[in-house]
Amino acid sequence: EAQVTQNPRYLITVTGKKLTVTCSQNMNHEYMSWYRQDPGLGLRQIYYSMNVEVTDKGDVPEGYKVSRKEKRNFPLILESPSPNQTSLYFCASSFPGLRGNEQFFGPGTRLTVL
Amino acid sequence: GENVEQHPSTLSVQEGDSAVIKCTYSDSASNYFPWYKQELGKRPQLIIDIRSNVGEKKDQRIAVTLNKTAKHFSLHITETQPEDSAVYFCAASTNSGGYQKVTFGIGTKLQVIP
Repeated sequence: EAQVTQNPRYLITVTGKKLTVTCSQNMNHEYMSWYRQDPGLGLRQIYYSMNVEVTDKGDVPEGYKVSRKEKRNFPLILESPSPNQTSLYFCASSFPGLRGNEQFFGPGTRLTVL
Repeated sequence: GENVEQHPSTLSVQEGDSAVIKCTYSDSASNYFPWYKQELGKRPQLIIDIRSNVGEKKDQRIAVTLNKTAKHFSLHITETQPEDSAVYFCAASTNSGGYQKVTFGIGTKLQVIP
């Protein structure tokens, strides 16, 4: 089954404790992206990757890191989480294309930073 | 960068009535306009999209219209049903440095009253 998976689905942590949210897709998509969803703010892009070893900042990258060592995986790293990073996080993937393509979203990770 | 405004933020309709959600965008280079539906607790999923060379697209009870001159696009749902209740996101996609940069609206929470 074609899908995007994320782990963990729920996480409660404390300020400053490093964490990683994993994202994996089995559709051979080159393009992957991380979003955060907050009430009244919609979906905002954190980081994206056009292919292996190619990543760039989205609209709200502060406090986050990513890596793309394999095509299927795109982990999101919070080196020192803070309460303002409490949010619902979605990973998404798609085929590239200058004319735009459907993004496939993971199930989401609800993160609470105390 | 691109700015996408979406209205209304909430919308309640009686079952069987039509619902219209409107979005405007700022970057005239945007060329792909997807609409995503997010049911409560679920991931966003594409329901319909339109490209800049098309003025209207229809898929059963849903349709999208695009006015490039006015930089305006809309989602139309006819004969609404309770299962249409969800949050709907519009998005505008622009070719940026060889990849598609997607900017989302803030979302519209649609409630269909039985």
